Amino acid sequence: SQQGEEDPQALSIQEGENATMNCSYKTSINNLQWYRQNSGRGLVHLILIRSNEREKHSGRLRVTLDTSKKSSSLLITASRAADTASYFCATDGGSRSRLTFGEGTQLTVNP
Amino acid sequence: DTGVSQNPRHKITKRGQNVTFRCDPISEHNRLYWYRQTLGQGPEFLTYFQNEAQLEKSRLLSDRFSAERPKGSFSTLEIQRTEQGDSAMYLCASSLAGTVEQYFGPGTRLTVT
Repeated sequence: SQQGEEDPQALSIQEGENATMNCSYKTSINNLQWYRQNSGRGLVHLILIRSNEREKHSGRLRVTLDTSKKSSSLLITASRAADTASYFCATDGGSRSRLTFGEGTQLTVNP
Repeated sequence: DTGVSQNPRHKITKRGQNVTFRCDPISEHNRLYWYRQTLGQGPEFLTYFQNEAQLEKSRLLSDRFSAERPKGSFSTLEIQRTEQGDSAMYLCASSLAGTVEQYFGPGTRLTVT
């Protein structure tokens, strides 16, 4: 079964607005990653945050991690129609191999 | 770098038939993973290889499933006696040992009728 839960399940915004997605997980982790999946395609790695980090930026992406609450958030600023996709958080659960994914947030950015 | 490739991209089969999927990882990557994804869900881990050794298998990988990576390069995933519940997207990913980012292929969508 999936380890994490993502919130919201679906999010619809207008181009230019910010989008925030949240992820919760259950076990201890070494790191947490966010991936994007366009409809019916493979996943693309977006950003990684290690368990000893609290915040990380990459372009229009900002990720936060609160290990005490076992939660993370992904903020996409100044969204574009091309950001329309499903976003998944993935944790390693302390493993150095397998990833455990959440159920994902479906983001729709309307032009 | 051509990325991770998977073949076929789509497979329709009748219940009870055997199917085999192929994954070609990024050439210098020594780790290879298989995941399964059903509609509206995140990927679920099935198994992974480091070089030719299969190091971990999920309990999701029933006896009808077998994966191989004979020369430490490409991998195959075979499903015997397919069932309708096997219908899903099968994703392959690769990485370098010691790194955590995994690079995914486009997936093989299996439909069992």
